Amino acid sequence: AQSVAQPEDQVNVAEGNPLTVKCTYSVSGNPYLFWYVQYPNRGLQFLLKYITGDNLVKGSYGFEAEFNKSQTSFHLKKPSALVSDSALYFCAVRPRDSNYQLIWGAGTKLIIKP
Amino acid sequence: DARVTQTPRHKVTEMGQEVTMRCQPILGHNTVFWYRQTMMQGLELLAYFRNRAPLDDSGMPKDRFSAEMPDATLATLKIQPSEPRDSAVYFCASGLAGSNTEAFFGQGTRLTVV
Repeated sequence: AQSVAQPEDQVNVAEGNPLTVKCTYSVSGNPYLFWYVQYPNRGLQFLLKYITGDNLVKGSYGFEAEFNKSQTSFHLKKPSALVSDSALYFCAVRPRDSNYQLIWGAGTKLIIKP
Repeated sequence: DARVTQTPRHKVTEMGQEVTMRCQPILGHNTVFWYRQTMMQGLELLAYFRNRAPLDDSGMPKDRFSAEMPDATLATLKIQPSEPRDSAVYFCASGLAGSNTEAFFGQGTRLTVV
């Protein structure tokens, strides 16, 4: 079965430090990869996606993600965390043979401490 | 600033009552998604529309849930009769058709069935 894993339920980072939120997937072919963020009592917001090309993808709010094909991973990163980055982060994967289906990770709660 | 609009934001209803949730997709988008979010199940796709046609409603309990798009500016999700297990946050999202495109989410309807 195809799946997306976010191995950490919660990640704690001090403000100003770099952050990484991990995502690995088990999806056949070369899927499209997405990160979304959900702030409390809000809908999900698109952060970035990997389609093809450069393995390092830059997105909104200073976030970037690194695609690693051999490890089937798509980790979300930011060089310097802000308290306002505290939120729930979702990794999602779309198989290339689907126009709409997304396989979602369970989400990682990111807490940035001042 | 284009956004997906969902109404109501909150709904408390008694078991057995009909619930209707509405969604206005972003103008120009030709796909609409309905998702349900719960702590236990995470994000579940309930229905998918493209060009107002329902292409996938396999995630919906057919006996009580129904989804429609009367026109390009309105999508509805109905539950009749509602049950306590339907309590969740329901999200509508819209986007452009295509396997590498992202979805734009509304702020959700928090439904509580008592």
